[in-house]
Amino acid sequence: DIQMTQSPSSLSASVGDRVTITCRASQSISSYLNWYQQKPGKAPKLLIYAASSLQSGVPSRFSGSGSGTDFTLTISSLQPEDFATYYCQQSYSTPSITFGQGTRLEIK
Amino acid sequence: EVQLVESGGGLVQPGGSLRLSCAASGFTFSSYEMNWVRQAPGKGLEWVSYISSSGSTIYYADSVKGRFTISRDNAKNSLYLQMNSLRAEDTAVYYCARLVHSGYLFDYWGQGTLVTVSS
Repeated sequence: DIQMTQSPSSLSASVGDRVTITCRASQSISSYLNWYQQKPGKAPKLLIYAASSLQSGVPSRFSGSGSGTDFTLTISSLQPEDFATYYCQQSYSTPSITFGQGTRLEIK
Repeated sequence: EVQLVESGGGLVQPGGSLRLSCAASGFTFSSYEMNWVRQAPGKGLEWVSYISSSGSTIYYADSVKGRFTISRDNAKNSLYLQMNSLRAEDTAVYYCARLVHSGYLFDYWGQGTLVTVSS
């Protein structure tokens, strides 16, 4: 299985900050990388697919980049509703897709 | 509006069985591949099982192979997960998720149902 490693595991930031979360794959996955946001007690929500495409309805302050093994999710200006846990997911090795361990974004 | 509503979770003893259901609405269920994804308490997401739109192709994670069975009834717009020989490590919230094959992404998720395996 392809291993996905996110960093950092947790992050404290303030409203208005620019935040970057990194996801690294154990082998090249081209651009087969999706990002999800999960709030406590809720299901994950798709934010970014194919590494850099914004899902419909997701605010433009979210962006994704990368290819191969290294990917980033950037939030350009944190809003109160963005405090959540973020997961990357590789869609290269199907059906055995794998997720990163998650990055918890907390209010400073 | 797309909706996925899971049910059937609960407390079960180790070695026991449980059947989860996922009722779909707001889209043509028979046109979509579906999956089960689980999340142990305080942990990350783990893919569990996949079923094609017709039900003819099925896959499982190694951790549940031989114990879990995924199925669907397109006439009833429903997805199922039969879980046998349950273990403590199967304790998790189980989500059904709709798959978009292009990009292999999960665009809609249910609210989840909690399965607790404990004596």
